[in-house]
Amino acid sequence: EADIYQTPRYLVIGTGKKITLECSQTMGHDKMYWYQQDPGMELHLIHYSYGVNSTEKGDLSSESTVSRIRTEHFPLTLESARPSHTSQYLCASSEGLGDEQYFGPGTRLTVT
Amino acid sequence: ELKVEQNPLFLSMQEGKNYTIYCNYSTTSDRLYWYRQDPGKSLESLFVLLSNGAVKQEGRLMASLDTKARLSTLHITAAVHDLSATYFCAVEHSGAGSYQLTFGKGTKLSVIP
Repeated sequence: EADIYQTPRYLVIGTGKKITLECSQTMGHDKMYWYQQDPGMELHLIHYSYGVNSTEKGDLSSESTVSRIRTEHFPLTLESARPSHTSQYLCASSEGLGDEQYFGPGTRLTVT
Repeated sequence: ELKVEQNPLFLSMQEGKNYTIYCNYSTTSDRLYWYRQDPGKSLESLFVLLSNGAVKQEGRLMASLDTKARLSTLHITAAVHDLSATYFCAVEHSGAGSYQLTFGKGTKLSVIP
């Protein structure tokens, strides 16, 4: 059973605010990922990490940043939110490279 | 650049009928994943296909992989309403030490009583 958590689940925030989306997993997985998904659309990888102090950008360009100071924690930060950032953000983790990815419940972000 | 195409994108079918969802991809890969997503929810892993000829079945769903044809299928047998959801295939691609998943656009399945 996968244990991966995201907070908040829903967030409505004004333009220009700084926000941090939290993602934690209790499985001890080294590999973690952030995806962005617009309603009814496919997922796009925006960031990934293969371990502590390792972060990379994904295929989809994003103005967000991530950090990986602890194995279990992979927060995503938007320094200045804009309406174009409105989307669902899904966090995932896997045990190893090429292993099945387990997804968190997602954060639905609306920027007004 | 890896491209993943699913078809159909929308599927409305009656309970009890059979149907197949197709997932084509453009470059070599040995791993393919199928996920299910209910409205407003996250993704649930259905199948992991790791080699050419792999076939996996769970209940009314069966997935297969043909790496030579770069094709995976998700077959639905005797559909029931509970199978209504969006189904995504995702293909792994690797390079320069990274392994990433590229997702298809998803097939939105509606099973009608």
